[in-house]
Amino acid sequence: KNEVEQSPQNLTAQEGEFITINCSYSVGISALHWLQQHPGGGIVSLFMLSSGKKKHGRLIATINIQEKHSSLHITASHPRDSAVYICAVEGGSQGNLIFGKGTKLSVKP
Amino acid sequence: DGGITQSPKYLFRKEGQNVTLSCEQNLNHDAMYWYRQDPGQGLRLIYYSQIVNDFQKGDIAEGYSVSREKKESFPLTVTSAQKNPTAFYLCASRRGGWGTEAFFGQGTRLTVV
Repeated sequence: KNEVEQSPQNLTAQEGEFITINCSYSVGISALHWLQQHPGGGIVSLFMLSSGKKKHGRLIATINIQEKHSSLHITASHPRDSAVYICAVEGGSQGNLIFGKGTKLSVKP
Repeated sequence: DGGITQSPKYLFRKEGQNVTLSCEQNLNHDAMYWYRQDPGQGLRLIYYSQIVNDFQKGDIAEGYSVSREKKESFPLTVTSAQKNPTAFYLCASRRGGWGTEAFFGQGTRLTVV
């Protein structure tokens, strides 16, 4: 069983829709990261959180440490949001990241 | 602007040849990491380094080697011993360990023919 599970694997939405991507993990962690990977392959860090909720523009990330679950929300989605969203947790022996397989989001105009 | 530079973006090599992937950062980060990404799989850790002249094996280190002679540089060599080297390779760095933001390069897509 993977230590970090994301759902859904693939998601297609219409422009303007509210989107939720989920991440569940099975290890004890100190922090969780949400990352965005565009088709070219480069990865950008969106959020790092260890409790509660963070917001940046149209993106919102929440985490529930007791339930070992995090969600990434995108409000008023736009085609430029199309990317792979990756959840990663700090569970390694020296703060190494353990990655989920990613959620591929496609937003249609 | 600070960041991580990986080069080249695309690399082709013949089977049996060693190849070195470059990763340079000007963020003054102590920790650097190499990951491999295969279709349908999460990023997997190859090697990491927390400090100059020291590095540790990750989950899939077999067939790879690294060096960390300078803080800014963490090159990865894919040796001929790596059974399935064709993949997308990502370099990352962090200021420290726990609870610090990770920065990623643009990746190198290696194809071995």
